[in-house]
Amino acid sequence: GDSVTQTEGQVTVSESKSLIINCTYSTTSIAYPNLFWYVRYPGEGLQLLLKVITAGQKGSSRGFEATYNKETTSFHLQKASVQESDSAVYYCALGDQGGNRIFFGDGTQLVVKP
Amino acid sequence: GPKVLQIPSHQIIDMGQMVTLNCDPVSNHLYFYWYKQILGQQMEFLVNFYNGKVMEKSKLFKDQFSVERPDGSYFTLKIQPTALEDSAVYFCASSFRDKPSQNTLYFGAGTRLSVL
Repeated sequence: GDSVTQTEGQVTVSESKSLIINCTYSTTSIAYPNLFWYVRYPGEGLQLLLKVITAGQKGSSRGFEATYNKETTSFHLQKASVQESDSAVYYCALGDQGGNRIFFGDGTQLVVKP
Repeated sequence: GPKVLQIPSHQIIDMGQMVTLNCDPVSNHLYFYWYKQILGQQMEFLVNFYNGKVMEKSKLFKDQFSVERPDGSYFTLKIQPTALEDSAVYFCASSFRDKPSQNTLYFGAGTRLSVL
C-alpha cells in the first residue's frame, strides 16, 4: 500500500535552534509520488507549506525546506532557526500525480520554547 | 488566504441519530473533499465530489454516509444512522482544479464528532 511515516509525535526545540522533522514514505502503486508538507496552526485548517514533485529537488517556504530523496524514500523537513510562531502540527503527505487522493502521516507536533 | 469554514467545530450526538456536518468551501472552488481523523491516527480520505457527484470514495465511506452540495451552498457530510466508530474529527477541503496532488487543497479546521 501507500503510506507515510513520521516517527516523532512531538518535537521540542528552543527558539533560534535548528529543526528536523523526519518523514519517510512507502508506495507500491504510485510510480512518481508527489510529496508535501502541510502545517496546522492552532484553531486553523491545514495549510500547504511546501510541495516537491520531482525526485532530487528541494522545496522551500517560510524558511523551511525539504528534499525529495528517492534513494532513502525520505522527505525530512528542516529549518535552520525556528521561531515561537512555528509551533504547530506538521504533516508529511504523498499523492499520485493523476489521482484524487493524498496520504497523510500521523503528524508531528512542534513545540518551540522561548 | 482563502478559507474553508466548518460548522460546528464540535458536535455531540447519541448513537443512532443523524448528523450533518457543514462545510463552506472557498468560493470559486469546484472540487470538494472529506477526510476523517480518529484520535491518534492518520487523517484518511473519505470522498471527493465534483459537479454534484461523488467522484471517488474510500472503504471508510460507509453506506450510512452521504454528501451533497445543494444549490452551491454548504458542502455537507451526512451520517445516518451514526455509530460509535464514527467519532472522529472530520476535515473538509476544497480545490479549484482536480487532482489535489497537483493543485493546492485548502482545508477547514475540522468538526469534532462525538458519538455517545
